[in-house]
Amino acid sequence: GQQLNQSPQSMFIQEGEDVSMNCTSSSIFNTWLWYKQDPGEGPVLLIALYKAGELTSNGRLTAQFGITRKDSFLNISASIPSDVGIYFCAGRLNNQFYFGTGTSLTVIP
Amino acid sequence: GAVVSQHPSRVICKSGTSVKIECRSLDFQATTMFWYRQFPKQSLMLMATSNEGSKATYEQGVEKDKFLINHASLTLSTLTVTSAHPEDSSFYICSARDPGRDYGYTFGSGTRLTVV
Repeated sequence: GQQLNQSPQSMFIQEGEDVSMNCTSSSIFNTWLWYKQDPGEGPVLLIALYKAGELTSNGRLTAQFGITRKDSFLNISASIPSDVGIYFCAGRLNNQFYFGTGTSLTVIP
Repeated sequence: GAVVSQHPSRVICKSGTSVKIECRSLDFQATTMFWYRQFPKQSLMLMATSNEGSKATYEQGVEKDKFLINHASLTLSTLTVTSAHPEDSSFYICSARDPGRDYGYTFGSGTRLTVV
């Protein structure tokens, strides 16, 4: 399957700090998605990106679809304790999704 | 919005037995559903694509005779883990696409399978 490399693998930040994570691929995707997964739950969609260069926000979250279509980043501003979880990027290719390796976020109050 | 219900949320079974996991689209019809497997602290790995009315498409390395997928209706896909072994213990998650939405790939809440 397709390999999506996500970094960093884990982050420990203070409440109020901004967070940035990214995802890169050797393949070109036509859609990039960012999900958050809480323990024992399925992933929940945060942001969807459809075209190269697109920059989309959802509250404190901002994500961008890279120009090369092989990468994407997610920023979280002014982090709060409930931002804790694992964030996954996903690329869509031929109606299938391939997930990144995940970024575990810990927010210290 | 689109809702995908997955059942059971947790199951413990003995080695050698079979376990069935259900994935239902509650407010939309899904011609395609996906089954993923997730080991602790790892990413989701696509196992197979379930197609309504036809055979599932399995990813390389996934045994189709062990992980039986049935998509008999537009709202239900089932994954049966046959002759379960402890190494099959994992978190299984389904997702489905709402054709009425551009990116309506919604995930179920997952099933934690423990084989003892």
